[in-house]
Parts: sequence; structure tokens; C-alpha cells
Amino acid sequence: GAGVSQTPSNKVTEKGKYVELRCDPISGHTALYWYRQSLGQGPEFLIYFQGTGAADDSGLPNDRFFAVRPEGSVSTLKIQRTERGDSAVYLCASSLAGEQFFGPGTRLTVL
Amino acid sequence: EDKVVQSPLSLVVHEGDTVTLNCSYEVTNFRSLLWYKQEKKAPTFLFMLTSSGIEKKSGRLSSILDKKELFSILNITATQTGDSAIYLCATGANSKLTFGKGITLSVRP
Repeated sequence: GAGVSQTPSNKVTEKGKYVELRCDPISGHTALYWYRQSLGQGPEFLIYFQGTGAADDSGLPNDRFFAVRPEGSVSTLKIQRTERGDSAVYLCASSLAGEQFFGPGTRLTVL
Repeated sequence: EDKVVQSPLSLVVHEGDTVTLNCSYEVTNFRSLLWYKQEKKAPTFLFMLTSSGIEKKSGRLSSILDKKELFSILNITATQTGDSAIYLCATGANSKLTFGKGITLSVRP
């Protein structure tokens, strides 16, 4: 596609529920990144994939967060037992070399 | 821990003014410094800087990096209302980006 796409654009869920957020990177980009942005803050790194494998998952806040990229393209960020503090915009980015190109994000609201 | 600090946190100017946005950083394994513009949700790439003293320019926007003093500036000349946005600075080290909090720029007509 022309750019990074993310679905859904908005997700409202209840505390304790499970959610999946999807990212479609730019075609041919081998690297994929997930970030989380809270109000008034810059994006915070969560995890980085090179191909199918997670090259760096040091930003995942705890074991409720997990991400996969089984075929080296689309990625899914999975959050179990959601908490109100998980509410944020989740941004995905992809790159081939150098600059990262961001998608429009998914705004997650946990009630 | 890597740190990126942007200043000021916000500013309001009038159309036609020139603005300078600041970014200082402390990172290990520095590779690059990037500037993004964020209007709604998706940060839009502006510049990537890797070498000191070499200005990058795109229209009314320009940026430069000082690797000795560990800072970068983003200049916008002849500002327009469409420049109103959050400007994010980030350092790239080993692929992941570390962002500052961003600078909210408001350009009034």
C-alpha cells in the first residue's frame, strides 16, 4: 500500500478484556515498530521486528503485552486483561533503512 | 537511560514569524536525530540528521545538528497557520527511536 495502515482507528473496551491491534506496513519494509503515545507525551518504544522475529522487545511494559509478525509483513499487538492505564494511541511504523514512517495509530480507550 | 528534551514545550506566534525549536539529547550509541510533525495522530517525517554542521532544508523548514553540544534546532521561516502542529524530535540508536515530549506550535493568522 501507499503508507502504513492500522486498524481499528479507535477501540473502546472494558477493563479486563483482551484486544488486538493490527498494523500493515509499507510493502517491502522489513522493519516494523510499535510505539505507545499518551496525552502530552512523545511516542514510547514498545517492540521492534526485523522480518518475522522480535529484535528488541525491551519496551513492552509487562507480560500482558505481546506482538507477532508471523509472515514478516502484518503485525498484531495483543493486550491481555486490559487496564485503564493502557489507554493511549498505539502507533506502528515501518522502515527499510533509516527513517521510520508512521501509521495513523489506534486510539485505545479502556473504561 | 536515553533522554531527549525539547524546548519550549509550547509557543504561539503570528503568521509570517520565524520560529526556532530546540532539541537536546543524551543517548548512548547515537546514530541519528529525526524531526517529525504531528498534526492529528500520525507523525510525519521531516528530517533525519547524522552529521554535525550540515543543514538540511525543505522549503521554509531547515534543521541542523551539533554532535559536540548534543543538540539540534528546527527552524521555520514565514510561518503559516498550516504549520500549527506538535513537532517531535527523536534520536535513533540501534533502530528504536527515543522521542522528546514534543513542542506544540500554534500559528495565529
